[in-house]
Amino acid sequence: DTAVSQTPKYLVTQMGNDKSIKCEQNLGHDTMYWYKQDSKKFLKIMFSYNNKELIINETVPNRFSPKSPDKAHLNLHINSLELGDSAVYFCASSATPGRRSHNEQFFGPGTRLTVL
Amino acid sequence: SQKIEQNSEALNIQEGKTATLTCNYTNYSPAYLQWYRQDPGRGPVFLLLIRENEKEKRKERLKVTFDTTLKQSLFHITASQPADSATYLCNPNNNDMRFGAGTRLTVKP
Repeated sequence: DTAVSQTPKYLVTQMGNDKSIKCEQNLGHDTMYWYKQDSKKFLKIMFSYNNKELIINETVPNRFSPKSPDKAHLNLHINSLELGDSAVYFCASSATPGRRSHNEQFFGPGTRLTVL
Repeated sequence: SQKIEQNSEALNIQEGKTATLTCNYTNYSPAYLQWYRQDPGRGPVFLLLIRENEKEKRKERLKVTFDTTLKQSLFHITASQPADSATYLCNPNNNDMRFGAGTRLTVKP
């Protein structure tokens, strides 16, 4: 029944490591997103994919690379992890956005990344 | 530059009262605006959407207004309950997916 799922829920790793977070949605949506929520709880968009194509790419270090193998999956790979990458990362999905269309997003439970 | 401001970081009210949260935006012309609720340790959950040609939208105890002249949305929870305690995020939508920093509402019994 889970609409948007993320794995792992918690990730603790050393600085300099490479890690991936996986996201899957079973809602049949065309668009998926990655957000970062820092310690001040500010939710910031990182990437958005529509039908496996990148449509939003905010100013994010190129150590972060999203990969969308199909419409239902959007994984986030992070190279050379830094202390400042510690945050909660949320995956979300929605129906195809448009200026006049409803764009309700469904969020996953989040992945808490701690870099030591 | 585009900016979204939610009136206060935290709001404390007594059970039964009406909570009013404010979202102001600048350098935006959103076609619609959404409100989300986020509980600790969980992802945001969609509550209400209001379109630019709508002045007001209601859903049970929730009411949202949208003033495109003032560039402001108000989010009201009437007859508030302790279970309404959460962080509420506004999202004036230009398809760029920007959220306000949120207002943490605490309803005391």
